[in-house]
Amino acid sequence: GDSVTQMEGPVTLSEEAFLTINCTYTATGYPSLFWYVQYPGEGLQLLLKATKADDKGSNKGFEATYRKETTSFHLEKGSVQVSDSAVYFCALTLPRLNNAGNMLTFGGGTRLMVKP
Amino acid sequence: GAVVSQHPSRVICKSGTSVKIECRSLDFQATTMFWYRQFPKQSLMLMATSNEGSKATYEQGVEKDKFLINHASLTLSTLTVTSAHPEDSSFYICSASWLEYEQYFGPGTRLTVT
Repeated sequence: GDSVTQMEGPVTLSEEAFLTINCTYTATGYPSLFWYVQYPGEGLQLLLKATKADDKGSNKGFEATYRKETTSFHLEKGSVQVSDSAVYFCALTLPRLNNAGNMLTFGGGTRLMVKP
Repeated sequence: GAVVSQHPSRVICKSGTSVKIECRSLDFQATTMFWYRQFPKQSLMLMATSNEGSKATYEQGVEKDKFLINHASLTLSTLTVTSAHPEDSSFYICSASWLEYEQYFGPGTRLTVT
């Protein structure tokens, strides 16, 4: 079945450090890929997405490139801030034939802690 | 972006009682709504998918008689946890989408059963 694997956390960085959170996937077909962020006590917010190979999603200084050859979608940010401390989820979705909505498959989540 | 609300944000109930959680799409019509459960420091577990006007599709291992889902309109879905027990305590998150488009997530509801 479809699955998403992301690096286990927590990831602890100092402010202004470079961030990479690895994400790889297995899927039958051509998925769309997402990164969601969850701040403490809140729901999920879409951070960025990519819908086809070689697409780069970007938002708020975060980037991720859809790499079909390595089935990866690693999240990067050049200079993290304390306010980036959150849990990050990688996810994929595949088109469904029964028009029943686009079901997401999530990775396990990676907690990021940024220290001043 | 589209907005999805959940109510209540927090609820405490006694063991054996039932509690209803509402999920509303505020500025779009949601053909599909999803209900997730999240345990502390864990990922989201899909519980069920509901389409407006039809019965929900439950994931394997989720008791449909315990977690009643109703999607009566294009802007409202409800999850009722019946005869709640402490092990049902969790963070419940809904999301909504229009056809095959992006899911928008609600802020979550923290349920504590005492």
